[in-house]
Amino acid sequence: GQNIDQPTEMTATEGAIVQINCTYQTSGFNGLFWYQQHAGEAPTFLSYNVLDGLEEKGRFSSFLSRSKGYSYLLLKELQMKDSASYLCAVRDRAYNTDKLIFGTGTRLQVFP
Amino acid sequence: DSGVTQTPKHLITATGQRVTLRCSPRSGDLSVYWYQQSLDQGLQFLIQYYNGEERAKGNILERFSAQQFPDLHSELNLSSLELGDSALYFCASSVVGAAADYTFGSGTRLTVV
Repeated sequence: GQNIDQPTEMTATEGAIVQINCTYQTSGFNGLFWYQQHAGEAPTFLSYNVLDGLEEKGRFSSFLSRSKGYSYLLLKELQMKDSASYLCAVRDRAYNTDKLIFGTGTRLQVFP
Repeated sequence: DSGVTQTPKHLITATGQRVTLRCSPRSGDLSVYWYQQSLDQGLQFLIQYYNGEERAKGNILERFSAQQFPDLHSELNLSSLELGDSALYFCASSVVGAAADYTFGSGTRLTVV
């Protein structure tokens, strides 16, 4: 089965940097996704890591270590609009399926 | 607009009732996934269909069922509703059933009173 852990809540100040961690235990691993979700809205894709290392995309970066079952999402130059939930999801390709299994999400509040 | 259409956007119903949620996937996408998101929870995978056939089943209750029709739209049927079924229900679609290609709909908010 899959077990995905991330902190429930985090706070940060506008302009700062925040790192959201995600650890996972899976029976099969085929990549890790990060999504942003504002309250009541659909998740929106942020990043996808399948190999170890850092993927940078503007103010957002995502890191993966497959041997440690660990990923983080790094948000730089925080803005008020970054207040949202950030969902870590593992890609499960076992048994003739290809789907995402999500963690419970980290609610980030950015203060002025 | 993501191209994935979910209807209705909001639904309020009483306990014990039955409702049907509808999802039209993005044009050309063959696979549909259903997720449930209860208050302050992550997305729980319910079920996946690919080109009309059930491909994977997650934590879906026996009171819930789904199907995908020949035109590829999908319906999620929820019966004998309980207060705890109140949640956001999201549909996602992908071209060939690849998770790397997920596109989410805007969701249906179900409130059971």
